[in-house]
Amino acid sequence: GAVVSQHPSRVICKSGTSVKIECRSLDFQATTMFWYRQFPKQSLMLMATSNEGSKATYEQGVEKDKFLINHASLTLSTLTVTSAHPEDSSFYICSAGGLGADTQYFGPGTRLTVL
Amino acid sequence: DAKTTQPPSMDCAEGRAANLPCNHSTISGNEYVYWYRQIHSQGPQYIIHGLKNNETNEMASLIITEDRKSSTLILPHATLRDTAVYYCIAWAGDSGGSNYKLTFGKGTLLTVNP
Repeated sequence: GAVVSQHPSRVICKSGTSVKIECRSLDFQATTMFWYRQFPKQSLMLMATSNEGSKATYEQGVEKDKFLINHASLTLSTLTVTSAHPEDSSFYICSAGGLGADTQYFGPGTRLTVL
Repeated sequence: DAKTTQPPSMDCAEGRAANLPCNHSTISGNEYVYWYRQIHSQGPQYIIHGLKNNETNEMASLIITEDRKSSTLILPHATLRDTAVYYCIAWAGDSGGSNYKLTFGKGTLLTVNP
């Protein structure tokens, strides 16, 4: 299957700082990338969908000004958590799919801890 | 996407076959049945998908009933490393547009015991 990477794998930051998470499709071009969040003992919740070269589409209840998404190329999408607070601590996972693709492939996830 | 129903947990002995059921009675004609799994603290891993016919790959087999209202994922020889949450998702994939999304339920926690 296709490979999707995320960086960093884990990050600890102070409250009020911003954190950027990168998602890369390593061996295919991803026209669409997705960002999920997963709290302990819960399932994945979709936050937003990003399409290369256009604005991201956010799910209801997700603050677009707090979670900035950029999909500048067909292999890279970034999620920036701005002014992070302890309640933003979570496991962030991206996935990628190409146009006409029949499968989404997931990254390994990024564990964010905000102190 | 059609809602799916899975048992919250299952146990399986190492080396035996693990059969994970999924009900998707409202699945649409253009929706595939997808299976992913998530090992603790990792991203979901694609396993297999199918539309009508049974499918097999190096990881598992997928058996879909003729009416497509339910399916079973079979891990033929479960190992300890197969302990994970298994998600069954009914999904139409890229239905001609560039905006499509997977919806995850709670899945089945499969525990493989020594």
